[in-house]
Amino acid sequence: QSVLTQPPSASGTPGQRVTISCSGSSANIGKNNVYWYQQFPGTAPKLLIYMNNQRPSGVPDRFSGSKSGTSASLAISGLRSEDEADYYCSTWDASLSGRVFGGGTKLTVL
Amino acid sequence: EVQLVESGGGLVQPGGSLRLSCAASGFTFSDYYMDWVRQAPGKGLEWVGRSKNKAKGYTIEYAASVKGRFTISRDDAKNSLYLQMNSLKTEDTAVYYCSRGDVEVPSALNHWGQGTLVTVSS
Repeated sequence: QSVLTQPPSASGTPGQRVTISCSGSSANIGKNNVYWYQQFPGTAPKLLIYMNNQRPSGVPDRFSGSKSGTSASLAISGLRSEDEADYYCSTWDASLSGRVFGGGTKLTVL
Repeated sequence: EVQLVESGGGLVQPGGSLRLSCAASGFTFSDYYMDWVRQAPGKGLEWVGRSKNKAKGYTIEYAASVKGRFTISRDDAKNSLYLQMNSLKTEDTAVYYCSRGDVEVPSALNHWGQGTLVTVSS
């Protein structure tokens, strides 16, 4: 059971906008920045969003992040087939004194 | 170009030990926090621990699941990060990644190695 709760799956058709939620608590998301990672099968994760809503260079602006209270969201607009991957949220948990990840969301492009 | 290359994975019996290494290049190693993150087969990401940088006194932090069994160390002269794993359990079976954050934002893990597989089985 992950400290951060994500839906196990999400789906959309090409061109659609999809959002993935990440729910935490006052010990983690409520007081720390949220990070999002994208992972394709058999490869290492890739940083997608940092500090809640910042994109590293090279990440398309179709990807956006937001945070409100103890929850965060990743939005992908103009969905493309190559976006089909696993997505993880992450933050620091003050109670655990450690980094925590969500359980991951498998995104399927129909 | 930043490169992180893990090594040392393999098959080990329950209760055994293994030492993983992460060779870093392309950046000033001592300036950066370094993390270990693992992923069990078919499962999600799990943070193992991290070493802060020289400026922060190389403070080490661990996940509760490995504290007391795993030890993170680094050798800045060799640009290397290590993970000594003792008293291994079957649930420690995973791909182990080393990762690096940004100098300004250590939690933004923007560089990862390819991972090394550790299998704990009798």
